[in-house]
Formats: sequence, structure tokens, C-alpha cells
Amino acid sequence: NAGVTQTPKFRVLKTGQSMTLLCAQDMNHEYMYWYRQDPGMGLRLIHYSVGEGTTAKGEVPDGYNVSRLKKQNFLLGLESAAPSQTSVYFCASRAGGPADTQYFGPGTRLTVL
Amino acid sequence: GQNIDQPTEMTATEGAIVQINCTYQTSGFNGLFWYQQHAGEAPTFLSYNVLDGLEEKGRFSSFLSRSKGYSYLLLKELQMKDSASYLCAGMDSNYQLIWGAGTKLIIKP
Repeated sequence: NAGVTQTPKFRVLKTGQSMTLLCAQDMNHEYMYWYRQDPGMGLRLIHYSVGEGTTAKGEVPDGYNVSRLKKQNFLLGLESAAPSQTSVYFCASRAGGPADTQYFGPGTRLTVL
Repeated sequence: GQNIDQPTEMTATEGAIVQINCTYQTSGFNGLFWYQQHAGEAPTFLSYNVLDGLEEKGRFSSFLSRSKGYSYLLLKELQMKDSASYLCAGMDSNYQLIWGAGTKLIIKP
């Protein structure tokens, strides 16, 4: 099992460019999450999904969109990147019970110039 | 509001014991998680507490007091590989995790 994978690992964008981050999990998990992690701050939830075809906003959704067309994939889109979106992005998944562990992908380091 | 507080940084000596404290305030409560994160890597699960008391897992133990909104992670027989950030996260009534900023643990020989 690969667990949770993220593509790409690194990316540099110019302000105004768009991109999509891909998260894939092979554990048949229902729940998937996108977080951002910035220095000195805790992980902040951007969007999440409780199952295929569903998405919901987290704490910091502005400037991002998501889609979960297949259970194993969760895509995070930036339509018009801004320097404030420079961050490390982590995807996570969990099975479904509240005590179930969230498993994280390796992260995507994004820089917006 | 929801908030998780933990120290920014701690230093300890190889072979010693260290306790990392966490206080939490969440809308509803469905448990307290601890994760370990090495620099440049993803967080990995360490422990979950939902009832008061101590949970022991090898060299790592985690304690919870729901009445005090308090948890700690205890690391024994510290090894150099334990140098990492330790993230405390409370699960709220919507089963979302509210994360602390993490405690960077530095282990000295």
C-alpha cells in the first residue's frame, strides 16, 4: 500500500497562475482533508470531504476549490495564486470513525512569487 | 472560540524524560490526538485519548484531563531520533481536528 500520495512535491508559481494539487489514497478511506501549514501556526483546514462526490469548507477556504469525483482522489485547485498562498499543503485521509487516525501525505511545498 | 496551546520549543537531554503540555478549548470534545512531525516530513499519529487518564505505548505516554482541558505527552528514555515537533490536536463536536502550532523538541547528547 502506498498510503496517501501527493503530486507534485514542489511547485513555484507566479501570482495569478493556476494549478491543481492531487491527493490519492489507496486505503478506501471515506474522509479526506486538505490542510495548509505555515511557520508558527497549526495545521489549518482548507476543505474536506466526507465521501465521494461531497466537499465542504474548512477554516480557510477562500482562494481554493476542491473536487472528489472518485473516492480515492481529492483535488485542490488554486484558480489565481497569490503570495499569501505560499505554504506547505498536506492531504490527509481517515476511515470514518471519530477515533480513526488521520494519515497524511508527504506534502506539497508551494511558493507563489 | 477554539484554541490549542502548547509550548513553542523545549530542550531535553538524551536518555532523559520530557513532558509536553497542551491545553485545549474546543466546541464540544471528541478526543485529543498527539502527532509527531520530523522536519520536512508529514505528521504521523502517536496517540489518542478520549477518556481521562494515562495511555501508555512503549516509551510514549499520553494523559488527558477533560475537566481541566489539559493533556500531556510524556517521552521516556529520549533518543536523538525523537528530535521533532509534537502536535496536539483536539477533535471538536463536528469531528474536525483543531491543531496547536506544535512544540519543537530539541534533544542534546
